[in-house]
Amino acid sequence: QQQVKQSPQSLIVQKGGISIINCAYENTAFDYFPWYQQFPGKGPALLIAIRPDVSEKKEGRFTISFNKSAKQFSLHIMDSQPGDSATYFCAARGIGNEKLTFGTGTRLTIIP
Amino acid sequence: DTEVTQTPKHLVMGMTNKKSLKCEQHMGHRAMYWYKQKAKKPPELMFVYSYEKLSINESVPSRFSPECPNSSLLNLHLHALQPEDSALYLCASRAGGEFSTIYFGEGSWLTVV
Repeated sequence: QQQVKQSPQSLIVQKGGISIINCAYENTAFDYFPWYQQFPGKGPALLIAIRPDVSEKKEGRFTISFNKSAKQFSLHIMDSQPGDSATYFCAARGIGNEKLTFGTGTRLTIIP
Repeated sequence: DTEVTQTPKHLVMGMTNKKSLKCEQHMGHRAMYWYKQKAKKPPELMFVYSYEKLSINESVPSRFSPECPNSSLLNLHLHALQPEDSALYLCASRAGGEFSTIYFGEGSWLTVV
């Protein structure tokens, strides 16, 4: 059962533009929402994470927006750069639950 | 230092071979994980060790056998694998605490021939 839905599957953005990736979850027990960035041939690396008691978290060019009532969260990459080209996974985990549930991934390509 | 080290980086094995994947972390993390990732798919949880005890087995076939010799080491023993088991195997670890992060290693690429 898919518990975290991620869209779009792939995204092409021009250099300097804003990349937006969306995720929606069903399980209200989820309380920790990280985003991972994965380059080809590498393991996923934590990019940024948010807890549901805040609506937005920003780290450099990366921002997570969180809408608890809609059970949705999104990643915004400002001033997108070619080096941001990678696959991005949203994820969710519940209190006391060791299992991290991943979204299906978004392949982001930044073109010059 | 948030490093999870996996060896080997690449492994090719026959269906009758026995091999092992190794993982090491020196961050004092209490939970360690094995994930399997196929191309263009998200990581899938296989096993979780918490305080050196197996706490989650996601119905993984017995040809995969995890082992946690101590709090810093995690092994995945492989025997009689099938070609469809070829994938990237990721080790990860997490400190205690409700909102602690899961850190992944670079993975071991496994090809079963």
